[in-house]
Amino acid sequence: NAGVTQTPKFQVLKTGQSMTLQCAQDMNHNSMYWYRQDPGMGLRLIYYSASEGTTDKGEVPNGYNVSRLNKREFSLRLESAAPSQTSVYFCASRANLAFGPYEQYFGPGTRLTVT
Amino acid sequence: KNEVEQSPQNLTAQEGEFITINCSYSVGISALHWLQQHPGGGIVSLFMLSSGKKKHGRLIATINIQEKHSSLHITASHPRDSAVYICAVPNTGNQFYFGTGTSLTVIP
Repeated sequence: NAGVTQTPKFQVLKTGQSMTLQCAQDMNHNSMYWYRQDPGMGLRLIYYSASEGTTDKGEVPNGYNVSRLNKREFSLRLESAAPSQTSVYFCASRANLAFGPYEQYFGPGTRLTVT
Repeated sequence: KNEVEQSPQNLTAQEGEFITINCSYSVGISALHWLQQHPGGGIVSLFMLSSGKKKHGRLIATINIQEKHSSLHITASHPRDSAVYICAVPNTGNQFYFGTGTSLTVIP
């Protein structure tokens, strides 16, 4: 049981390049999330998916797109990277609210630098 | 005003000391999540609690739903406890409100 996995762990991009961050969970969770973490800012929600086939914007969605490929996988795409997107990105998943509790499980993070 | 406030922001303690980190919130439903993040590391779930107290090893978490307040205690602190501790409160949808974290350093 791997929990939540993310790839890659590290990435350096040049401004304007594109890339996709991959996330997968093997806990049969319905909800999945993408966060970014910046110094002094705490975790901020980029996008989330309450269930397969649905996605919703979070607090900071500009410059990102997401795909909920199936129940296991939720990817985050940067179409044209900007230095302001330099951050650590975390994927998380959570069981459906109806089954409670509401605990989130996090992936190991992707450290992205845009030059 | 942040919906989830943690105090203190930074904390330095000597090994063996009893540590308390506080979290107050003004939003969300009646539950709270404590998370731990070591420097350069991932985020690990410590506790999810909706009432009373939970204990895991040297860590104890308490919550007072009426006062919208939770505390995380560490007994007999150790340098390996040095980390950022984050509290998060779920809302009625599928999202969480996060505190900005308390950075703990335990000196040998």
